[in-house]
Amino acid sequence: DTGVSQDPRHKITKRGQNVTFRCDPISEHNRLYWYRQTLGQGPEFLTYFQNEAQLEKSRLLSDRFSAERPKGSFSTLEIQRTEQGDSAMYLCASTLSYSVDYGYTFGSGTRLTVV
Amino acid sequence: AQTVTQSQPEMSVQEAETVTLSCTYDTSENNYYLFWYKQPPSRQMILVIRQEAYKQQNATENRFSVNFQKAAKSFSLKISDSQLGDTAMYFCAFMKQSGANSKLTFGKGITLSVRP
Repeated sequence: DTGVSQDPRHKITKRGQNVTFRCDPISEHNRLYWYRQTLGQGPEFLTYFQNEAQLEKSRLLSDRFSAERPKGSFSTLEIQRTEQGDSAMYLCASTLSYSVDYGYTFGSGTRLTVV
Repeated sequence: AQTVTQSQPEMSVQEAETVTLSCTYDTSENNYYLFWYKQPPSRQMILVIRQEAYKQQNATENRFSVNFQKAAKSFSLKISDSQLGDTAMYFCAFMKQSGANSKLTFGKGITLSVRP
């Protein structure tokens, strides 16, 4: 078990480009969360999956954002037509649904810089 | 909606000394969980300690302990015998017990520096 992996670690993109991030959770974890952390702020909830079903999306997740977890394993987060305000650390976390109140295991994050 | 407030942006402590990080929260829930997470520079966030709101006893994990005051909605973290490896950002977080999504609401965090 290698923990939660996120790829890439860093991404620099030009405004208007599309970017996609990947998260590989701990293999037996059925819950997967995405959070966004901007400079000087704590992480903010974006969306979560239980198995392959996306069960909730934050209002922070505009229609330029889409997340998938096609087979209930890895997840991708895509941002279309990136804007400078999208610059942030994108964190993925996973857990088991029956132990979620014990907290999650986080990945190291993908730092996005939009120039 | 829940809010978590960490009003101290930065703190510094001498190695081997004790430091207390403050956190307050606001909620109308009666049953919930509180967490402290540590985020070292350029590394993943890890769970430090967890408190169940229905338990009066304060949680302890080795050098880390909390002072949970439910009526005051206060949840501070005490780090004893501070070590250089404790240098990190520390986030206080709240989770509703009854919420199906079990999302975490975080404070803004506090940067802790341990001086040698």
